[in-house]
Amino acid sequence: GAVVSQHPSWVICKSGTSVKIECRSLDFQATTMFWYRQFPKQSLMLMATSNEGSKATYEQGVEKDKFLINHASLTLSTLTVTSAHPEDSSFYICSAGGDPGGGRYNEQFFGPGTRLTVL
Amino acid sequence: QKEVEQDPGPLSVPEGAIVSLNCTYSNSAFQYFMWYRQYSRKGPELLMYTYSSGNKEDGRFTAQVDKSSKYISLFIRDSQPSDSATYLCAMSAGGGNQFYFGTGTSLTVIP
Repeated sequence: GAVVSQHPSWVICKSGTSVKIECRSLDFQATTMFWYRQFPKQSLMLMATSNEGSKATYEQGVEKDKFLINHASLTLSTLTVTSAHPEDSSFYICSAGGDPGGGRYNEQFFGPGTRLTVL
Repeated sequence: QKEVEQDPGPLSVPEGAIVSLNCTYSNSAFQYFMWYRQYSRKGPELLMYTYSSGNKEDGRFTAQVDKSSKYISLFIRDSQPSDSATYLCAMSAGGGNQFYFGTGTSLTVIP
């Protein structure tokens, strides 16, 4: 249980285009989803936290107009990188919080990540 | 001061060695302590999950939490080449609160 998928796993786009990344909890309801980015050889940097049906809470320094987060259902959250530029190239990882059973409501379950390359 | 400090390594050990990975933290409100393993270009995989102080063992892995010293450890016994990865510690105050991650320690186990 507690499987989280991300799509796509890898995307290359041209500068100025927008890219949408999907995060799905496959076998449990995710009341909260988190979006992270990770640069090579660095740790995960939390970008935003979203609860189903409400606006995302962005971390300081993260542009909410550039990184649009939608958490429309308990199993799906999307991150849209708008007008992407080469400096947005990174590894984006989502995680889901909820209770997949067994009282595991304090855990986060991570997706496999999406590698974005902006040319 | 960072919430969580972790030595980034890299750490290189021979196969069969005992590996010790550590993190320190500053926030006494942290109650939940996790260790994740991350292979290159993959998402983090939960290895150990511990609540409050004490030890927890799972196969070759042992997690220790010392809340009085604000110090957590992960021990890997009989290390294998397949253990080569980056190990991230994480902690939270619980209740759906934010996780705070260490920078990760890169481990290589040499056959």
